[in-house]
Amino acid sequence: GEDVEQSLFLSVREGDSSVINCTYTDSSSTYLYWYKQEPGAGLQLLTYIFSNMDMKQDQRLTVLLNKKDKHLSLRIADTQTGDSAIYFCAEKSGNTGKLIFGQGTTLQVKP
Amino acid sequence: DAGVIQSPRHEVTEMGQEVTLRCKPISGHNSLFWYRQTMMRGLELLIYFNNNVPIDDSGMPEDRFSAKMPNASFSTLKIQPSEPRDSAVYFCASSPAPQGSEQYFGPGTRLTVT
Repeated sequence: GEDVEQSLFLSVREGDSSVINCTYTDSSSTYLYWYKQEPGAGLQLLTYIFSNMDMKQDQRLTVLLNKKDKHLSLRIADTQTGDSAIYFCAEKSGNTGKLIFGQGTTLQVKP
Repeated sequence: DAGVIQSPRHEVTEMGQEVTLRCKPISGHNSLFWYRQTMMRGLELLIYFNNNVPIDDSGMPEDRFSAKMPNASFSTLKIQPSEPRDSAVYFCASSPAPQGSEQYFGPGTRLTVT
């Protein structure tokens, strides 16, 4: 069945780059997403990539997709303390509206 | 531009009571989704609507759960009777696309059933 896996925790120093990784199993995924959740808040859509793309860059965020290995990563350049949050990877397969979420990676940014 | 609006933000109720959660999607969005988030199970899709019609309700845990979307600007998720294991954060999301390519989440309703 469909499954999305992420590491649970990442700690970086302010100013460093952060790389959050995700693997998925559904080879028919059409879109892959990164969401950010701050404490007590909903999920904020950060960026998404269509499955026929390898890379997408948006300001400090770079998404890399390796479709062969079913691996997705989110790189945050010049990480700030405000980037501390839980980051969720999600995939959407086929023509359904259903998103499958990973368990989330907690990013801790130390000053 | 207002995002997805959910009410109430917090709900505390006793086991056996009926609970109704409300959602107003972003204006113009065609699809609406209800999710549940718990520590144990993470984020789970309960049900989603496209143009007010339920498309997939396979994630609804039991008959105690029901969802309606009487019009394009309002949806409810009802739990009757509620149980302690229903305690979770319930999120509503909406999307401008029929297949939900970009889903925008509301702030959630934190439900506690004692």
